[in-house]
Amino acid sequence: KNEVEQSPQNLTAQEGEFITINCSYSVGISALHWLQQHPGGGIVSLFMLSSGKKKHGRLIATINIQEKHSSLHITASHPRDSAVYICAVRSVNSNTGNQFYFGTGTSLTVIP
Amino acid sequence: NAGVTQTPKFQVLKTGQSMTLQCAQDMNHEYMSWYRQDPGMGLRLIHYSVGAGITDQGEVPNGYNVSRSTTEDFPLRLLSAAPSQTSVYFCASSYMGHSYNEQFFGPGTRLTVL
Repeated sequence: KNEVEQSPQNLTAQEGEFITINCSYSVGISALHWLQQHPGGGIVSLFMLSSGKKKHGRLIATINIQEKHSSLHITASHPRDSAVYICAVRSVNSNTGNQFYFGTGTSLTVIP
Repeated sequence: NAGVTQTPKFQVLKTGQSMTLQCAQDMNHEYMSWYRQDPGMGLRLIHYSVGAGITDQGEVPNGYNVSRSTTEDFPLRLLSAAPSQTSVYFCASSYMGHSYNEQFFGPGTRLTVL
């Protein structure tokens, strides 16, 4: 059982297309993170959300707490956006107070 | 700030060998953790620490030990390497408070056990 499910697993887009990656989770959370991982590279945090919507440049992240769902949108996609995008949630039910659960990631390829 | 640093970046071991993966952070974060990343699976928590002298097991702790003698350092020890431990290992750190729970990740260590 995966606490965090992402879709699609793989996504290929033409440069300039609008892209949506979805994340659903099954645990109570205090925050949801969107992470970016480039091939052979490390992991970078893009967004941290607990409600509503956030925007950084061409990236937009939304979350619906009632539906336990989040989306990451990329407008005017570019080949440099090619990466794996990972959804992670911070559980409120953890004894640690900081337990994160991760999705398996969405591999995005943007073709020029 | 250097952020979260990990060494080595790559390592090849033979079955039964032991080694330590180093992790350090200079952000004074209380929480540090080790994850492994395997193809087709999300990051899985190995061990974590909520402060110096305090460690606990995560989802997949078997075959690994940790210690936290200082706030800055959180090494991961493989006691007797097995091929199943071939993976990419990430160290991460964050503040403990709810308002500052963004995780910062190290660059990763790619480990191959033959």
